[in-house]
Amino acid sequence: QITLKESGPTLVKPTQTLTLTCTLSGFSLTTSGVGVGWIRQPPGQALEWLALIYWDDDKLYSPSLKSRLTITKDTSRNQVVLTMTNMDPVDTATYYCARALVGSCGIGACYSFFDYWGQGTLVPVSS
Amino acid sequence: EIVMTQSPATLSVSPGERATLSCRASQSVSSNLAWYQQKPGQTPRLLIYRASTRATGIPVRFSGSGSGTEFTLTISSLQSEDFAVYYCQQYNNWPPYTFGQGTKLEIK
Repeated sequence: QITLKESGPTLVKPTQTLTLTCTLSGFSLTTSGVGVGWIRQPPGQALEWLALIYWDDDKLYSPSLKSRLTITKDTSRNQVVLTMTNMDPVDTATYYCARALVGSCGIGACYSFFDYWGQGTLVPVSS
Repeated sequence: EIVMTQSPATLSVSPGERATLSCRASQSVSSNLAWYQQKPGQTPRLLIYRASTRATGIPVRFSGSGSGTEFTLTISSLQSEDFAVYYCQQYNNWPPYTFGQGTKLEIK
């Protein structure tokens, strides 16, 4: 059974750095064609993709947030960690991690979608 | 960045009827388009990938179509459990992966 579970702080103060951990079960990030992404959702709003890391350590970031984000993996612990610096109240959201599965590849690029999602963790940003 | 536009924002349909949700991309995304369902207080669930392939365990009443810039999610006969918010997402041109703003499917 494939599951992902997010963990992190219950409250973050403005200017602080957020560190979120996604613990994987039922699959490994050493498997070719697999990645883990982070997506967030402010209350009552749409989904926003943040970052993605693949089995081969290739990393992708949202251009608008790239300067604030770092994604890493620890395959021995089956975990993926996302850090976001300089948090602001507008960053208040539910943060999800999700498995990315490569569905197909073209010339120089592969195309992956999110097939399993964690339950999400709500991160309020407030002083 | 590719902008995904979903319409309508809210769709009111009676149980048993057909629902048709639309998603438009600001430029071609080929067939690299996914649909997700999100019920209140729950996590998003993958319904469709590659524009028309149902994910594991998704009922046959859900179908996807389209390519390029125009996509449709059809629910052939609405069940009570289908009333939710639906998001489309392109994964052809990245970064970033982009989602639509969602269509809320409500009971008429």
